[in-house]
Amino acid sequence: GEDVEQSLFLSVREGDSSVINCTYTDSSSTYLYWYKQEPGAGLQLLTYIFSNMDMKQDQRLTVLLNKKDKHLSLRIADTQTGDSAIYFCAEILTGGGNKLTFGTGTQLKVEL
Amino acid sequence: DAMVIQNPRYQVTQFGKPVTLSCSQTLNHNVMYWYQQKSSQAPKLLFHYYDKDFNNEADTPDNFQSRRPNTSFCFLDIRSPGLGDAAMYLCATSRDIPNQRFFGPGTRLTVL
Repeated sequence: GEDVEQSLFLSVREGDSSVINCTYTDSSSTYLYWYKQEPGAGLQLLTYIFSNMDMKQDQRLTVLLNKKDKHLSLRIADTQTGDSAIYFCAEILTGGGNKLTFGTGTQLKVEL
Repeated sequence: DAMVIQNPRYQVTQFGKPVTLSCSQTLNHNVMYWYQQKSSQAPKLLFHYYDKDFNNEADTPDNFQSRRPNTSFCFLDIRSPGLGDAAMYLCATSRDIPNQRFFGPGTRLTVL
């Protein structure tokens, strides 16, 4: 199957860490992505991880991949108000014509 | 800067009146995609062009058509917009299909 699920909403205080979780069902994914979408805007690629990696760090962003549990997470350190947005995880499936499948999206709200 | 450009950013049309959305790219990518994103939902792939080859998703309504006159431009034509077609339309590009998609800012379509 191609289901990619995320929790709908996350609220954190400014300066805290945010952890956005994603679960997927298809183990044939090659690349997994995190996109950020601000209100009324397009999708901005934040980071990605290849399926043979466990972790990737890029400045404030840390991606963890647990292939056994089919679980992907995005940790944002020192969360700022500018991080408020919807975050989509997405995967490319080698068995699905290399189609990019998006998760349901997590709305991150950063409070002062 | 190399980028994906969508025009217009906001489009208003009347019920049943044909409308065309435009996408251009300076990345020289061979694949171009059109996604539809309704409010609070993940983007949904409508179709893509791999070079000159058009690939329609099975569940894309016939009301939606696309043209790609050259590598740089791709158009989305909605022949008879209905109220249910009001959405954000996102264009994306990639170099071949397994690779990451670069998204444009989107066109918000309103149908009156």
